[in-house]
Amino acid sequence: DVKVTQSSRYLVKRTGEKVFLECVQDMDHENMFWYRQDPGLGLRLIYFSYDVKMKEKGDIPEGYSVSREKKERFSLILESASTNQTSMYLCASSRQETQYFGPGTRLLVL
Amino acid sequence: SQQGEEDPQALSIQEGENATMNCSYKTSINNLQWYRQNSGRGLVHLILIRSNEREKHSGRLRVTLDTSKKSSSLLITASRAADTASYFCAEDQFYFGTGTSLTVIP
Repeated sequence: DVKVTQSSRYLVKRTGEKVFLECVQDMDHENMFWYRQDPGLGLRLIYFSYDVKMKEKGDIPEGYSVSREKKERFSLILESASTNQTSMYLCASSRQETQYFGPGTRLLVL
Repeated sequence: SQQGEEDPQALSIQEGENATMNCSYKTSINNLQWYRQNSGRGLVHLILIRSNEREKHSGRLRVTLDTSKKSSSLLITASRAADTASYFCAEDQFYFGTGTSLTVIP
């Protein structure tokens, strides 16, 4: 089975802190994704990556950056966390159309 | 934004009844997928239907696609309490709808 893991299930940070969310997949998938999920808004795509060192902006990239130095790892970086970035963050990977999701990281920015 | 919408936002039914959820999307698609999310967890893929297909079945799931109306429906037959979850449609892998929260009452 595909396994996608995220570094933390719950995270509490202060406004202005730099935050790293890590995602690792074990199935050699080329594609990896970061979403945020908010009540009533569903999932919104932040960034995705088709290959190592490649990244593409999604619908809401502002305030975020990503890093993909190795095929299995895709990191989401909040350069200076703000309260409006409090959310559930979901990572996913895929080879073709079907995405496999991690369990999510619930981030609270105070 | 290409985000689609599910309808209804919430649905509550008795165990054994059928549950139908609808998804409307905005653009032409290559495929549409349905995912399930248990509370506080990641999403799990249920079924994919391609733009040249009209209906697809998988166990108790039946998905239809009407590209002329830009809509899809997910039918869960003979529902069980364990089907309680949120269900999302996704256009072409990237664009997820807002979800339908299904509660199945034992």
